[in-house]
Amino acid sequence: QVQLQESGPGLVKPSETLSLTCTVSGGSISGYYWSWIRQPPGKGLEWIGYIYYSGSTIYNPSLKSRVTISVDTSKNQFSLKLSSVTAADTAMYYCVREPVVAAGGGGFDYWGQGTLVTVSS
Amino acid sequence: EVVLTQSPGTLSLSPGEGATLSCRASQSVRSSYLAWYQQKPGQAPRLLIYGASNRATGIPDRFSGSGSGTDFTLTISRLEPEDFAVYYCQHYGSSPYTFGQGTRLEIK
Repeated sequence: QVQLQESGPGLVKPSETLSLTCTVSGGSISGYYWSWIRQPPGKGLEWIGYIYYSGSTIYNPSLKSRVTISVDTSKNQFSLKLSSVTAADTAMYYCVREPVVAAGGGGFDYWGQGTLVTVSS
Repeated sequence: EVVLTQSPGTLSLSPGEGATLSCRASQSVRSSYLAWYQQKPGQAPRLLIYGASNRATGIPDRFSGSGSGTDFTLTISRLEPEDFAVYYCQHYGSSPYTFGQGTRLEIK
């Protein structure tokens, strides 16, 4: 059974960089797209961006200037960095798996439990 | 960017009834790359439907998806108590992926 687990600081100061890591267990990181999604308290879902296991990335244009997603296949992990954070970046952050559509999949089929990141001084 | 508009915002129904949730896209969704998720309080969303009409692994057959182009529907044939939750549609046909604002399905 594939499991995803987010880890990282729960509190980040304004203007600093938010850093999270997602550890994938029960399956390989190879062959899939891996995304970060966030959800402000009481609000809807926002896709941040994805990385393919090979390292290619696509980011949401609304966050592109501040986002970096990277992958470490040797550790079965991928990571998110979001720079220059403000209170508007306070949210539950989820890491998720997306199967390749050509392989018969689609959508985000596995989700981490989420980690709440609060931006405050 | 594809904007997804879900309706209604809130749906009040009783267990045993059927539910119809709508998701309308601002432009045609490529190859029906449209998914539906269920989210319960304090939990991560769960994939229900992908490719507009394919049930994800382990999803009961009372959940079904349909539609193409700009109009998509999630139907729950006979509501069980555990089905009351928030439902989101999402497209993954092009970047940026976007979600609808959600439909809250509540017990009447």
